[in-house]
Amino acid sequence: EAGVAQSPRYKIIEKRQSVAFWCNPISGHATLYWYQQILGQGPKLLIQFQNNGVVDDSQLPKDRFSAERLKGVDSTLKIQPAKLEDSAVYLCASSPDRGIETQYFGPGTRLLVL
Amino acid sequence: AQSVTQLDSQVPVFEEAPVELRCNYSSSVSVYLFWYVQYPNQGLQLLLKYLSGSTLVKGINGFEAEFNKSQTSFHLRKPSVHISDTAEYFCAVSGASGGSNYKLTFGKGTLLTVNP
Repeated sequence: EAGVAQSPRYKIIEKRQSVAFWCNPISGHATLYWYQQILGQGPKLLIQFQNNGVVDDSQLPKDRFSAERLKGVDSTLKIQPAKLEDSAVYLCASSPDRGIETQYFGPGTRLLVL
Repeated sequence: AQSVTQLDSQVPVFEEAPVELRCNYSSSVSVYLFWYVQYPNQGLQLLLKYLSGSTLVKGINGFEAEFNKSQTSFHLRKPSVHISDTAEYFCAVSGASGGSNYKLTFGKGTLLTVNP
């Protein structure tokens, strides 16, 4: 079974530029999560989708971050414009349902904002 | 809301020695508890989880953890570590009450370094 796929793996941009990350969850998984992991910290949930609807986006900085999950499968996370403090690893995870099933994580996208 | 404190940011040990990674949590409701491992340049992988039942939970790669409700702890242990166990370990907590969406709150992580 293929795992959670993310691209790109690395991205370097200058502040005020925009950037987008892509995630393909495990086939059949209804729930998709985006986490931000700043160096030296644990992952922080940014947004949770159930199929193509948003369940929780309380920690998403909505003035600059946006996310969508078209057709309840792939998802895209965008930052526009980027700030220096957005430098982090962005992790995507999926689980079969919104319950307490195990979340399966992708390898992450490492973003550096200069 | 829940919070997690991992008491050690780094734990160096020698190969074949026992190890304990400490985790304390805070919550006003019942909780579910997890340990994840992150190898360099990889995503997180579930080691084990406590949902209910026996307070001693066994996971993959020979790890186990014990849920202690009175001390609000969920320490991770392994009796004999290998070089390949070198990684970052994250403790996480989720509310167990209905309608919580089971949101995971992670600790800051403990870097386990196993030396030959």
